[in-house]
Amino acid sequence: GNSVTQMEGPVTLSEEAFLTINCTYTATGYPSLFWYVQYPGEGLQLLLKATKADDKGSNKGFEATYRKETTSFHLEKGSVQVSDSAVYFCALSSFGNEKLTFGTGTRLTIIP
Amino acid sequence: DTGVSQNPRHKITKRGQNVTFRCDPISEHNRLYWYRQTLGQGPEFLTYFQNEAQLEKSRLLSDRFSAERPKGSFSTLEIQRTEQGDSAMYLCASSLGSGNNYGYTFGSGTRLTVV
Repeated sequence: GNSVTQMEGPVTLSEEAFLTINCTYTATGYPSLFWYVQYPGEGLQLLLKATKADDKGSNKGFEATYRKETTSFHLEKGSVQVSDSAVYFCALSSFGNEKLTFGTGTRLTIIP
Repeated sequence: DTGVSQNPRHKITKRGQNVTFRCDPISEHNRLYWYRQTLGQGPEFLTYFQNEAQLEKSRLLSDRFSAERPKGSFSTLEIQRTEQGDSAMYLCASSLGSGNNYGYTFGSGTRLTVV
């Protein structure tokens, strides 16, 4: 079955630091890959996605590249801000299968 | 369009009581999904609808759980004879077509506490 393994948190960084949150997956076929973000008190928001190998998803300065050879979809940002503090979830869905499989989430705290 | 709306935001109930949650998806979205998120975990799939048809149910959805989407618009999730293990955030999401292609829009969730 499908599974997603995320870097364990919590992660605490100083403002303007470089961010990497690791995500690897196991799936049948060629899944679509997603990063969702959950700000305090809010619902999940789609941050970025990639639907095929070597695609790069990007949004709000965040990037992730779909690496089929390493089954990875690591999230990166060059310079984080306090407003990026949130919980980040890596997720996948398979073609013909409507359900998202999520990782356990990584709590990110950015300190000024 | 105000996005996916869930009500109530919070529900506290005594063990053994029945509860019902409501989800109003984005109006043109024909697919609607329910997920459950427990503390420190990622959301887990429960069930999904295409229009009014319930097409898949997770084995997490015991016979105490039932979901409906009678007119293909809003949906309800009912839990009968609640147990403390049912305490969680219940999330609803909708998509225009296949979520793989169009993405999923989530609501803010209903937090259930069973005491």
